[in-house]
Amino acid sequence: SQELEQSPQSLIVQEGKNLTINCTSSKTLYGLYWYKQKYGEGLIFLMMLQKGGEEKSHEKITAKLDEKKQQSSLHITASQPSHAGIYLCGAGSYGNKLVFGAGTILRVKS
Amino acid sequence: DAGVIQSPRHEVTEMGQEVTLRCKPISGHDYLFWYRQTMMRGLELLIYFNNNVPIDDSGMPEDRFSAKMPNASFSTLKIQPSEPRDSAVYFCASSLGSLKGAWVSEAFFGQGTRLTVV
Repeated sequence: SQELEQSPQSLIVQEGKNLTINCTSSKTLYGLYWYKQKYGEGLIFLMMLQKGGEEKSHEKITAKLDEKKQQSSLHITASQPSHAGIYLCGAGSYGNKLVFGAGTILRVKS
Repeated sequence: DAGVIQSPRHEVTEMGQEVTLRCKPISGHDYLFWYRQTMMRGLELLIYFNNNVPIDDSGMPEDRFSAKMPNASFSTLKIQPSEPRDSAVYFCASSLGSLKGAWVSEAFFGQGTRLTVV
């Protein structure tokens, strides 16, 4: 079955600093999704990547999928308190099953 | 569209009682997913449906858990009898399947039901 490993598990950064979260798959990724979750709330969709080498950006968040389609990174530039939360990567697999990594907890100190 | 709607938002029940969680997916979506989230195990996929048919229920932890989707606009997750270890946040999500069939489009999540079994 598809397994996703996220690193780091948690992260504390000073406001204004850049950061990167990684997501590694045990199998080739057919669809890679990044979500953000605030405590006590549902998951909010950020971006979806499908093609090897693909890169997408939304405001100060950039996500990339490597050429081999087994690793993705999420990069936040000039972090702000509003970026704090849990970031989860999800993967679509055969049969349209959608599974998620354990998540990365991000805290931004102001 | 109002998004994925789950009810109730919070549920506190006594051990041994039956619990029913409800979900209304986004109109037109043909995939529905049920997840459970805990600190220890993260976000676990319990079961998912395509066009109201269960496709994979391998994540359902025990026979005490059951899920149904009687029509395209409603699904339930039932726990009978409930136990304290079932305490978690349960999420429902829906999405539109890709025409290529290899993967789904992005899934939209409900606000979740926080279940506490005492």
